[in-house]
Amino acid sequence: LAKTTQPISMDSYEGQEVNITCSHNNIATNDYITWYQQFPSQGPRFIIQGYKTKVTNEVASLFIPADRKSSTLSLPRVSLSDTAVYYCLVGDKIIFGKGTRLHILP
Amino acid sequence: SQTIHQWPATLVQPVGSPLSLECTVEGTSNPNLYWYRQAAGRGLQLLFYSVGIGQISSEVPQNLSASRPQDRQFILSSKKLLLSDSGFYLCAWSQNRLLNTEAFFGQGTRLTVV
Repeated sequence: LAKTTQPISMDSYEGQEVNITCSHNNIATNDYITWYQQFPSQGPRFIIQGYKTKVTNEVASLFIPADRKSSTLSLPRVSLSDTAVYYCLVGDKIIFGKGTRLHILP
Repeated sequence: SQTIHQWPATLVQPVGSPLSLECTVEGTSNPNLYWYRQAAGRGLQLLFYSVGIGQISSEVPQNLSASRPQDRQFILSSKKLLLSDSGFYLCAWSQNRLLNTEAFFGQGTRLTVV
C-alpha cells in the first residue's frame, strides 16, 4: 500500500482557491488516487478520483503530474462550509491517513 | 438509489458489556462492506472489511469482531467492551469491482464506554 504524506493543516480565506498536495512516492502502476472530505461527526465523502493528468468535477479538480508521485486537490473559490479534513488515498484499499485539516477564514 | 443505514446514532455502554452495531445497505447487491473507528482527535482506522457473505478480513487486532450474515448486512460486535473501545464507528460500502475506491458512509455511531 502506497504511503501518502499531506500537510497536517492549512488555513485559507473565503473566495480563495485552495490547493492541497499529497505525496505518494511509491505509487504502483495500477493505483488510482482518491480524495475524500470529512466534516466533524460525519463519515467521509468521496470528492474525486484520478489516474493521471487532470480530472475535474463540479466540486474540485485533481492534478496529477506525469510521474504520479504526487497529486494536488484544487478547490476553487472556497467558502466557510469547505472547512473540513481532506484525505488523499492511493491504491485499492480504502484506508485513510491523517488527512489535512483545512480551515477557511472569513 | 443506494442507501446505507447504521444504528444506533449514539450509545453509552458500561465497561464489560457486550456490543452489537448493525449496518444495512439497500439498492445494491454484493457490495464490499467496511467498519471504521475514529477515536477522539484521531484518524479513521479501518477495522474490518468484507467482500462477501461470511468473508471478513480484520485489519488490526482488537477486542471487536465482525460478521456478515446476509449480503447487505454487516454487524460489529464485542463480548466485553473496554474503555478504549470508545469512539465514532462508521460503516461504509463500495461497489465490488476492481480498483474501486469510492465508498459511501453511514451516519456513524458514537460509542462511549463508561
